[in-house]
Amino acid sequence: GAVVSQHPSWVICKSGTSVKIECRSLDFQATTMFWYRQFPKQSLMLMATSNEGSKATYEQGVEKDKFLINHASLTLSTLTVTSAHPEDSSFYICSAPGLAGGSEQYFGPGTRLTVT
Amino acid sequence: DAKTTQPPSMDCAEGRAANLPCNHSTISGNEYVYWYRQIHSQGPQYIIHGLKNNETNEMASLIITEDRKSSTLILPHATLRDTAVYYCIVRRNYGQNFVFGPGTRLSVLP
Repeated sequence: GAVVSQHPSWVICKSGTSVKIECRSLDFQATTMFWYRQFPKQSLMLMATSNEGSKATYEQGVEKDKFLINHASLTLSTLTVTSAHPEDSSFYICSAPGLAGGSEQYFGPGTRLTVT
Repeated sequence: DAKTTQPPSMDCAEGRAANLPCNHSTISGNEYVYWYRQIHSQGPQYIIHGLKNNETNEMASLIITEDRKSSTLILPHATLRDTAVYYCIVRRNYGQNFVFGPGTRLSVLP
């Protein structure tokens, strides 16, 4: 089946720095990708929808200036956490619909961000 | 998309069938039932989905009631590696995001 990768798988950064997380669709093209965040013992929460060639759509309560999303190609979306704070520590997961019609979605393995 | 209700946790003995229920009483005619699971610290993994008919694949079976207000995911021979959180999601079948509830934490016991 289709594969979605994320890089890095984990990252530790200091407060105030920025961190970039990449999401790639390895064997298919994705005009749309989704970014989720998952805090410990909680479910996945959608943060934003990444659209190739246009601006991302953010969910209510997610700061677009803090979580910068770029979807510059049909196989790559990036999420940059700017001026990271300890409360941004979380598990970030991306996903992409598969074939046209979006019957299934393929999720990346996730990126564990720890801000110290 | 319709809301789903699942038990927060279940146990199952290794080698036995695991039957995970899901209620989706407000499901509409064009909404599919999807099941995903998430093993600790990994991304969600697709299991199966269906509209009306029962479905089976190499991982599991999905039984949907005739009125479509509930469904059951069946893992026929649970193994320790099936320990995970299982999410039942109802969604129309096009490329939109999934809305995850709390899911069912299945513990397969030796």
